[in-house]
Amino acid sequence: ETGVTQSPTHLIKTRGQQVTLRCSSQSGHNTVSWYQQALGQGPQFIFQYYREEENGRGNFPPRFSGLQFPNYSSELNVNALELDDSALYLCASSGGTRGRQETQYFGPGTRLLVL
Amino acid sequence: KQEVTQIPAALSVPEGENLVLNCSFTDSAIYNLQWFRQDPGKGLTSLLLIQSSQREQTSGRLNASLDKSSGRSTLYIAASQPGDSATYLCAAINNAGNMLTFGGGTRLMVKP
Repeated sequence: ETGVTQSPTHLIKTRGQQVTLRCSSQSGHNTVSWYQQALGQGPQFIFQYYREEENGRGNFPPRFSGLQFPNYSSELNVNALELDDSALYLCASSGGTRGRQETQYFGPGTRLLVL
Repeated sequence: KQEVTQIPAALSVPEGENLVLNCSFTDSAIYNLQWFRQDPGKGLTSLLLIQSSQREQTSGRLNASLDKSSGRSTLYIAASQPGDSATYLCAAINNAGNMLTFGGGTRLMVKP
């Protein structure tokens, strides 16, 4: 059984650019959730994808968008990067149904720095 | 809107001490409560998950309790060791199980 993996591990972008982060879910899981963790704070929920459809979204602007593929891997896209987008981006995979998810397992994260 | 608070924000103790980390949440309609450990610059490692119907969970030197009515959870660490030094996060899980709301964490330093 493989765990949750994320790529890249680190990334540096400049303000205004666009970025794509990737997440491979754990074997047998159908759901991916994305979280943003600013330095010194707890993670904040961005959104969740269940079987290729969005299944909940936190308080993030539309320039944060996502995608889930038929193999349940996922991408997080951020357009028009701002300095405050600098953070650790965590993805988590889980099983379950749309209305009742099971335990989420987290990947190691992607550290994004926006200059 | 669920809000989760952790006290204290930072804690430094000598090796061998027993300690308690506190977590409070504003909305008692939670599905589960989960405690995580995070080492600097790393992802999250799940320590304990307490289902809403349970009052506590134990794993080795760790014991977590849950009191939904008062909106509180505690993580008890027995006989602390320098290897326990990390940030500890609690998260309230909503009834759909699709969203974790995290506290700000407690940074623990255990000195040899």
